[in-house]
Formats: sequence, structure tokens, C-alpha cells
Amino acid sequence: AQSVSQHNHHVILSEAASLELGCNYSYGGTVNLFWYVQYPGQHLQLLLKYFSGDPLVKGIKGFEAEFIKSKFSFNLRKPSVQWSDTAEYFCALMIYNQGGKLIFGQGTELSVKP
Amino acid sequence: DGGITQSPKYLFRKEGQNVTLSCEQNLNHDAMYWYRQDPGQGLRLIYYSQIVNDFQKGDIAEGYSVSREKKESFPLTVTSAQKNPTAFYLCASSLGFSGANVLTFGAGSRLTVL
Repeated sequence: AQSVSQHNHHVILSEAASLELGCNYSYGGTVNLFWYVQYPGQHLQLLLKYFSGDPLVKGIKGFEAEFIKSKFSFNLRKPSVQWSDTAEYFCALMIYNQGGKLIFGQGTELSVKP
Repeated sequence: DGGITQSPKYLFRKEGQNVTLSCEQNLNHDAMYWYRQDPGQGLRLIYYSQIVNDFQKGDIAEGYSVSREKKESFPLTVTSAQKNPTAFYLCASSLGFSGANVLTFGAGSRLTVL
């Protein structure tokens, strides 16, 4: 069965540190990939998405992610985190010919110390 | 503002009682979804609907029921058959049901069974 795996359950960083959150998926066909963020007490929001084209995608608030097909990975990066980035981050997979269903990873909780 | 409204935000239920969670969207989206969020497990798909008067089971449909009588509404009933109903429930919608759609999420309903 298709699945998404996020490597870290909880990451703690100091402000200005660089961030990389791992995401791997298991599916051999065409996929669309997403990162969603859930700030404390807020809606789940789309951070960025990859459908096709340039494998390096940029999202809101300075986040970016790189799709590496050979590694089945879609890691999220930010060069310098802020306290306001404290949130839970979810990687998700949509299988291209299976409609709009999203398959989510377990989530990574990011805590940024001021 | 266009969006998804879920109600109630918090709900307490005694064991053995059914409860219905409301989800209304004014985005004119065709597809709607219900996800369940548990700590450390990410989001799991309960039911989805591609169009009015049609819906399909997701990965964890047992103990849940839905209806889609109107385009803008997709209520979820958590029945007494659901063995572990305490969770955070998220409703989402998308314009269509292709693999290239982006899901928009509501703020969620937190159900606690006493």
C-alpha cells in the first residue's frame, strides 16, 4: 500500500538555525506531493506543492522542498527558522490517477526557541 | 470570505451515543473529504465525496457514516460502533477530484468521548 514516512516526530531548533524535515513515500508511479503546516490553533494550510516540472519548489514564508524521484523523497527546507515557524508539518502524497485523496505522513512537530 | 466551516469546535459525548459533525463550504467545490487526526499518526481518510449524492469509504470508514445531499454540505456521523472515537476531525474540499487538486481544510472539530 502507498505510504508516506516522516523521519522526525519532534524537532527542536534555535532561531536562525537551518531546517530540513525528511519525507519519503512508497509508490512507483506518478505522484503529486505536498507539505501542509498546522500552526497552533489554526487551520491546516498548504505550504507548497509539487505537480511537475522543476523539482525544487518554493512555498510561502521562505520554505522550499526538493523532489528527488530516485530517492522517493520530498524534503522540506528553510535556511533560517523563526520562532513563528513553530508548528506541525505534514508531508502528503496524491496519486495522480487515483483522484484527490491525500495520503499523509505522521507529522513532524517543530519547536523553535527564541 | 470563502472557506470551510466546521461545527461544533468541541464536542463531548457519552459512550453509546451517535454524534454528527457539520461541514459546510462556500467555495463551490465539487469534492469533499473527512479526515481523522490522532497524535503521531497524521491524518487518515474516513470518507470522501466526488459529487453530490455520491460518496466512498476511505481507509478507516468503520463506525462512521456520511451524506452528501447538497453540494456545500458533507456531515459526518460518528456512530456508537466506532471503537475509539475520541479524535480531531478535519473536513476538506477541493475544486475537483483529479490528482492535480489542492485540498482546503476547515478548522476542525475535537470530539471527546467520556
